[in-house]
Formats: sequence, C-alpha cells, structure tokens
Amino acid sequence: DGGITQSPKYLFRKEGQNVTLSCEQNLNHDAMYWYRQDPGQGLRLIYYSQIVNDFQKGDIAEGYSVSREKKESFPLTVTSAQKNPTAFYLCASSYSSGDYNEQFFGPGTRLTVL
Amino acid sequence: GQQLNQSPQSMFIQEGEDVSMNCTSSSIFNTWLWYKQDPGEGPVLLIALYKAGELTSNGRLTAQFGITRKDSFLNISASIPSDVGIYFCAGRGRDNYGQNFVFGPGTRLSVLP
Repeated sequence: DGGITQSPKYLFRKEGQNVTLSCEQNLNHDAMYWYRQDPGQGLRLIYYSQIVNDFQKGDIAEGYSVSREKKESFPLTVTSAQKNPTAFYLCASSYSSGDYNEQFFGPGTRLTVL
Repeated sequence: GQQLNQSPQSMFIQEGEDVSMNCTSSSIFNTWLWYKQDPGEGPVLLIALYKAGELTSNGRLTAQFGITRKDSFLNISASIPSDVGIYFCAGRGRDNYGQNFVFGPGTRLSVLP
C-alpha cells in the first residue's frame, strides 16, 4: 500500500537525551514536512524539504534537526536543546511542483519527555 | 507567521443535523484544504479547493473556496457518529517557495446520538 509511515507510535525520552523520529513515504513525493501539534493549536511547521539533500527551517526549528539523504525518508531529531519537546509530531509529504500538491500525513508519533 | 481562524472552536450537534464551519485568513490564498483528524491519528485529507468560488463535494461533505480568497467553508450534511473529530483547514498563498501551508486551530465536532 502507498502511504506514509511514522515510527514509533509512542516514544518516551529522558530529559537531556536526543531522540530521532522516523518518517518514510512510498508515494514518490518530492517534498516532505515535519509538524508539531499541541492541544488546541494548529499544526506548526518545524522543517521541510523539497528535494533530496536540501531542507529549510520552518516556524519552530529551534531544538530540532533533520536530514534528507533519500527521497523516501525524512527523519527528525529532537535534541536536548528543545525546551518543551512533549508533543504529537506529524510527518507529511506532497509533490513539490505544480498547483495540485496536497499534503498527506502519516499517523504521527507522540513524544513524551519524562 | 500567518494565522488562520476557524469557527466555531467546538460544536455539539444531534445525529442527523447539518454542520457548518468556516476558516478565515488575513491573506489571500490560492489553495484551501480541509482535513479530519481522529484522536491520536494523523489528519486525513477530505477536500482540496483551488479556485475562488469553487464548490466541491465528497459524499456528505461540501466545501467552498470563498470568492474573496480569504475564507473557506465546510458543510457536513446529515451528521453521523463517525463524523466526530477535529476538522482542520489549511491555506496556502504564494511565497518564495510556494509550498508552505498554514493550518487553523481546528473545529472539534461532537455528535450526540
């Protein structure tokens, strides 16, 4: 089946530890995105990538890092520098060019910092 | 960054009733998307709109791209229990990258039997 997978579904981390969230897509999409969702708020863009080996900061990139070594994969690392990392993290992908480039989302990873 | 407003924030309706919600922006958008999110899951795309005035249906759902290009509307007819969830709008204008969507805070829908 074509789609976006995120793993793990739930993740627990101790303060001061880095943690990496996985995102894989087999939709042949060029662009991939990471969002953070907090209760009662809209999705906020962390990082996005329109092409392999290139990515840009979104609105809340501080304390996060990404890589885009393969078209299918866009892992997100939550570093110890992120002050309030407990949240629901969503990965999305879309075609990069053209007007009809809706974003499709993965199932999300809930990160809890203990 | 840009902000979208959605109203109402939440609504409680009886099963069988029709639902209307809207999304407004201070900026002009070229694309509007409507998503539904179930608890603990990722948003699922319901409807995409690309032209001002466009009216698009997906089953019992109908969405419209406002003619001012600063708003969009979603209607659900004859609601059923599985319509429960959070409905998000997302809009995109044209910036240097032409890619970034802005998301509203969502409308939480509860359907009473």
